[in-house]
Amino acid sequence: DVKVTQSSRYLVKRTGEKVFLECVQDMDHENMFWYRQDPGLGLRLIYFSYDVKMKEKGDIPEGYSVSREKKERFSLILESASTNQTSMYLCASSSPTDTQYFGPGTRLTVL
Amino acid sequence: DQQVKQNSPSLSVQEGRISILNCDYTNSMFDYFLWYKKYPAEGPTFLISISSIKDKNEDGRFTVFLNKSAKHLSLHIVPSQPGDSAVYFCAALPSNAGGTSYGKLTFGQGTILTVHP
Repeated sequence: DVKVTQSSRYLVKRTGEKVFLECVQDMDHENMFWYRQDPGLGLRLIYFSYDVKMKEKGDIPEGYSVSREKKERFSLILESASTNQTSMYLCASSSPTDTQYFGPGTRLTVL
Repeated sequence: DQQVKQNSPSLSVQEGRISILNCDYTNSMFDYFLWYKKYPAEGPTFLISISSIKDKNEDGRFTVFLNKSAKHLSLHIVPSQPGDSAVYFCAALPSNAGGTSYGKLTFGQGTILTVHP
């Protein structure tokens, strides 16, 4: 059974803080993804990675960076959090030919 | 530029009746389509998919129909149950076209389905 875990379910940070969101998958998947979900906008892709140390920008990468030092772990970094980054953040993983499996999400509030 | 659109933000259905969720897409390169279901405070879970070489795929109470010429797909749930109440996302995957899409999905905005007992 595929398992994707995210480091926190709820997180509250202040404007300007550096924020790390961690995602770990246990299925040896090559691909990993970070999305944010906002009402009326669906899931929007921030960044994805198709291999260790490889990353590609998604549709809304501004204000975010990522790190993938190990195959099972994909981190999303908010260098300087802003209130418009308050959102639900979802991590997913997949093999190249399979559907994506999602973690439970992190609800981030930036005050 | 919303390439996958779910124009109904919400749908309310009586238990036992049919739920029909709709999705439109604009990119002709999409050739594989998926539906995900999401409960509050949980990540989306895969529900059903369809390849562009088919026009229908069925899995128990769930059936997805694809009309390529209209660039439209729909998810039918029959009979609807209160436990089906969730947000449903349509997603699309482009053909590899000589490269690899890395499984990069494009999602719609989601439709909130409420099934009343």
